[in-house]
Amino acid sequence: DTEVTQTPKHLVMGMTNKKSLKCEQHMGHRAMYWYKQKAKKPPELMFVYSYEKLSINESVPSRFSPECPNSSLLNLHLHALQPEDSALYLCASSQWTANQPQHFGDGTRLSIL
Amino acid sequence: GNSVTQMEGPVTLSEEAFLTINCTYTATGYPSLFWYVQYPGEGLQLLLKATKADDKGSNKGFEATYRKETTSFHLEKGSVQVSDSAVYFCALRLIQGAQKLVFGQGTRLTINP
Repeated sequence: DTEVTQTPKHLVMGMTNKKSLKCEQHMGHRAMYWYKQKAKKPPELMFVYSYEKLSINESVPSRFSPECPNSSLLNLHLHALQPEDSALYLCASSQWTANQPQHFGDGTRLSIL
Repeated sequence: GNSVTQMEGPVTLSEEAFLTINCTYTATGYPSLFWYVQYPGEGLQLLLKATKADDKGSNKGFEATYRKETTSFHLEKGSVQVSDSAVYFCALRLIQGAQKLVFGQGTRLTINP
């Protein structure tokens, strides 16, 4: 059982829709992450939140908008996405120190029509 | 820069065979090293980790030793099972800039009965 919960598991949306991906963890981790994973590729880092503050944005297009309402929750707001944005979106959390692993959720499979 | 190189896949073995997946890294500091496994339709699960030279991580019959002199972290298992079929990712995390995981390209493993 994963300790990082992501909803929904699957999402199909049109290019004009607005939707949100949600992520929740109750491990007391103060770092949370969004990754994008295309088929047969490793995850690519998108955003990092540290203590509810955005600390890294890997030059992600503005049609992706992250939000961290509290230390347990992480959202990714989606608007005007393109077909190439279809991918598996993974959330992860960790303690802030480098020798601690990141724990991943099962992801949201996103398809853009 | 910081990078991880894994052996090219896919790798196909028979049940009970010995497994080695090679992983070498380049890092500007002293990284922590991780192996993650991704089963079909799921997120990444931490398989094992090592945080300093000569550490051996182990879990579920898998082992990997942090070799600083050869900058390697090869994954091994003495007798694989069909249920080990998955994609395996080697990754590093630096003490500096502790937020980022640097992934290898992944190795797809298929075990035939």
